[in-house]
Amino acid sequence: GAVVSQHPSRVICKSGTSVKIECRSLDFQATTMFWYRQFPKQSLMLMATSNEGSKATYEQGVEKDKFLINHASLTLSTLTVTSAHPEDSSFYICSAQGTDDQPQHFGDGTRLSIL
Amino acid sequence: TQLLEQSPQFLSIQEGENLTVYCNSSSVFSSLQWYRQEPGEGPVLLVTVVTGGEVKKLKRLTFQFGDARKDSSLHITAAQPGDTGLYLCAGVGSGGSNYKLTFGKGTLLTVNP
Repeated sequence: GAVVSQHPSRVICKSGTSVKIECRSLDFQATTMFWYRQFPKQSLMLMATSNEGSKATYEQGVEKDKFLINHASLTLSTLTVTSAHPEDSSFYICSAQGTDDQPQHFGDGTRLSIL
Repeated sequence: TQLLEQSPQFLSIQEGENLTVYCNSSSVFSSLQWYRQEPGEGPVLLVTVVTGGEVKKLKRLTFQFGDARKDSSLHITAAQPGDTGLYLCAGVGSGGSNYKLTFGKGTLLTVNP
């Protein structure tokens, strides 16, 4: 089946640090990747949608300069949280989709803790 | 804005009991999915329902899609501790995308032995 790998699984860093999270589709080419944010015991909130080779589309209220998304190839998208602060601490989950009529396949998430 | 309301938000039951989780939408989606998520992991797709009135079974789990394709339910028979997790419904197809997902707030289920 389609496998999506997310790295790192957990990161703890100091306030002001920039953190990069990778999302890879291991056995298929992902035309579209999605980035979600999830707070404890809450649902997934879509942050942005990225298509290979083009700029990401951000959801309302998500700062594009704060959350930089790059989808440089059909198997890799990255999310960089710039100048992270404690309020950015959350569980970030990516998903990848082959074509528009195929389901999204989710990674195992990245737990980000900003001290 | 398309919204999905899930109820109950929290559910704590004893092993062997039955339960039903509801997912209601203010609008129609092309299909609806149910996911289960364990702590520290990504959501895992359980089922996709497409046709109004559709019923799908997955072992002790029964999924229904309403006739108007605006609501769905998940029924678990004889719940087991292994069923513990966050159950999420997601509407498929919104915002101009064929496969953009809109998630409900989730139901956190705890099955006590």
